[in-house]
Amino acid sequence: GAGVSQSPRYKVAKRGQDVALRCDPISGHVSLFWYQQALGQGPEFLTYFQNEAQLDKSGLPSDRFFAERPEGSVSTLKIQRTQQEDSAVYLCASSLALPGGGNQPQHFGDGTRLSIL
Amino acid sequence: AQTVTQSQPEMSVQEAETVTLSCTYDTSENNYYLFWYKQPPSRQMILVIRQEAYKQQNATENRFSVNFQKAAKSFSLKISDSQLGDTAMYFCAFMKHGNAGNMLTFGGGTRLMVKP
Repeated sequence: GAGVSQSPRYKVAKRGQDVALRCDPISGHVSLFWYQQALGQGPEFLTYFQNEAQLDKSGLPSDRFFAERPEGSVSTLKIQRTQQEDSAVYLCASSLALPGGGNQPQHFGDGTRLSIL
Repeated sequence: AQTVTQSQPEMSVQEAETVTLSCTYDTSENNYYLFWYKQPPSRQMILVIRQEAYKQQNATENRFSVNFQKAAKSFSLKISDSQLGDTAMYFCAFMKHGNAGNMLTFGGGTRLMVKP
């Protein structure tokens, strides 16, 4: 597709359940980011991939959060033993990395709204 | 670490008028990028405008322009001829210059309502 695709759009889970959120970046985009957006707040960085390598996971709030991008394209954010404070919108963004580095705009998906009951 | 502050939780403007959204930031970096993103109820973050810190000229994109004051660490967004479709959350964001893996640091957002 033309843009970043995230699924599911909405996810409701009971506290203690595991969830998996999917992100399909723009084709050819090397960089992929996950952000967490609590209600009424700005997004906060969770983790970053360059191709299949997870180069920064400093924003993951606990070891219950795990992200992967095994083939350097689709990424999955997994949350184990969910808690109510995990309720938020999870945004995925991708960007084109040029040779030599440089900052390219990040393109965002529509996000997954996760509600933990 | 960088911080971004948006001091106006909510703003409103009449259709066709001009509105300015404020943003201040704190950083020890000398070279960086600043962005304004728009987030409508659909939740998708849409890039509105981008400013490179080493450029003194303020960025402009159609009805959107910025007032970038590097010494004051201020980066305001002016929307001219406001349209109903401009109603959304607006986020100011900071990114360090350098490698491709630099994350965005967002402010808390300003909810803009354009009234008919």
